Amino acid sequence: DAMVIQNPRYQVTQFGKPVTLSCSQTLNHNVMYWYQQKSSQAPKLLFHYYDKDFNNEADTPDNFQSRRPNTSFCFLDIRSPGLGDAAMYLCATSSKRGTNEQFFGPGTRLTVL
Amino acid sequence: AQSVTQLDSQVPVFEEAPVELRCNYSSSVSVYLFWYVQYPNQGLQLLLKYLSGSTLVKGINGFEAEFNKSQTSFHLRKPSVHISDTAEYFCAVKISGNTPLVFGKGTRLSVIA
Repeated sequence: DAMVIQNPRYQVTQFGKPVTLSCSQTLNHNVMYWYQQKSSQAPKLLFHYYDKDFNNEADTPDNFQSRRPNTSFCFLDIRSPGLGDAAMYLCATSSKRGTNEQFFGPGTRLTVL
Repeated sequence: AQSVTQLDSQVPVFEEAPVELRCNYSSSVSVYLFWYVQYPNQGLQLLLKYLSGSTLVKGINGFEAEFNKSQTSFHLRKPSVHISDTAEYFCAVKISGNTPLVFGKGTRLSVIA
């Protein structure tokens, strides 16, 4: 089945220690998104790629970076995680054609110690 | 810019009772409307969507929603809920094109036996 895959599902890191979360997709979608979701809150868009074009939200901290080496993979790098970065991180994809419905992965829950 | 308001942060309901989760949106242009469900420690799963045409949309798990343009609403309904419907429900909008989803703050549905 075509899907969006996130690894790992749970990630523990130390304060200030860089961490990378990964997302892959078999849908061959052009657009990939990264959302941050804190407890009992709506997902908040961090950035998205439209093909290779990177689109950063204005309020996304510089601490958050992203890479998309090819259509299938997208990475979220947190350079120096703080306690406030503990959250669920959701990856989503959509096709630039049609209705642009977004398909979500299962998420990675990040804990910062 | 678009915005989504989910007036009810929590909705408790007894098993087999009907439920309505409210969603209102604001946009100066036509939008696509979505309802997503999120179970604990999971990603978002699409329940249903309104793109065009019939204003009554049927989705998975027995849910339906009605688009009301004059009231800018897209309320979610189910005639008889089950314990397994306990989850967080998010209403979201996007405008035509490749803009990201804009989410409401979510409504936590708790089904009581």
